[in-house]
Amino acid sequence: SAVISQKPSRDICQRGTSLTIQCQVDSQVTMMFWYRQQPGQSLTLIATANQGSEATYESGFVIDKFPISRPNLTFSTLTVSNMSPEDSSIYLCSVGDSATNEKLFFGSGTQLSVL
Amino acid sequence: SQQGEEDPQALSIQEGENATMNCSYKTSINNLQWYRQNSGRGLVHLILIRSNEREKHSGRLRVTLDTSKKSSSLLITASRAADTASYFCATPLTSMYSGGGADGLTFGKGTHLIIQP
Repeated sequence: SAVISQKPSRDICQRGTSLTIQCQVDSQVTMMFWYRQQPGQSLTLIATANQGSEATYESGFVIDKFPISRPNLTFSTLTVSNMSPEDSSIYLCSVGDSATNEKLFFGSGTQLSVL
Repeated sequence: SQQGEEDPQALSIQEGENATMNCSYKTSINNLQWYRQNSGRGLVHLILIRSNEREKHSGRLRVTLDTSKKSSSLLITASRAADTASYFCATPLTSMYSGGGADGLTFGKGTHLIIQP
């Protein structure tokens, strides 16, 4: 298993500002995944972050809005840029199981409210 | 787009009863997984069933998979108040990346389960 520390756990931000979410894993992992969960909805994959390369974004998500850093094998950040109320969501980082690379482990999430 | 669709969207039962949730998916898969989410926080992996398996048990959990119908069910027996949570099925995004494995998962819409004491 992997232990994932994600912070902040919640934040209230003003429209037009940016927030950077940090994700720290207790072991080295190849891929880290960033998800968004809008209120009352399911999880949607934003992007996959590989160490040493550009993140791969899913349809509907762009780097200018959600820049991602992956400086090493245990850490990643997701920035939500130029926020609007529509960005109010839970943001979750996750990593694959190192043994089988099938199931995912999740951080506790960042609950973001944009006013 | 969402791969899995759970039903019901919400389920409320009495403590001690069994809870059954269903999931349907659209494309071929090599495994299907179920996750639990408490109070909008991080998800916890519950169980994984492979495409060549029809049924799997883990404690009070029983999962079935019918690949011909592209559907799965999660049964929680003898429910407890602590089982109150949202439950999601998930399938691998293997169509997006080569090599299979945890190249991300796509999640269904979830079933919100409430266990009444």
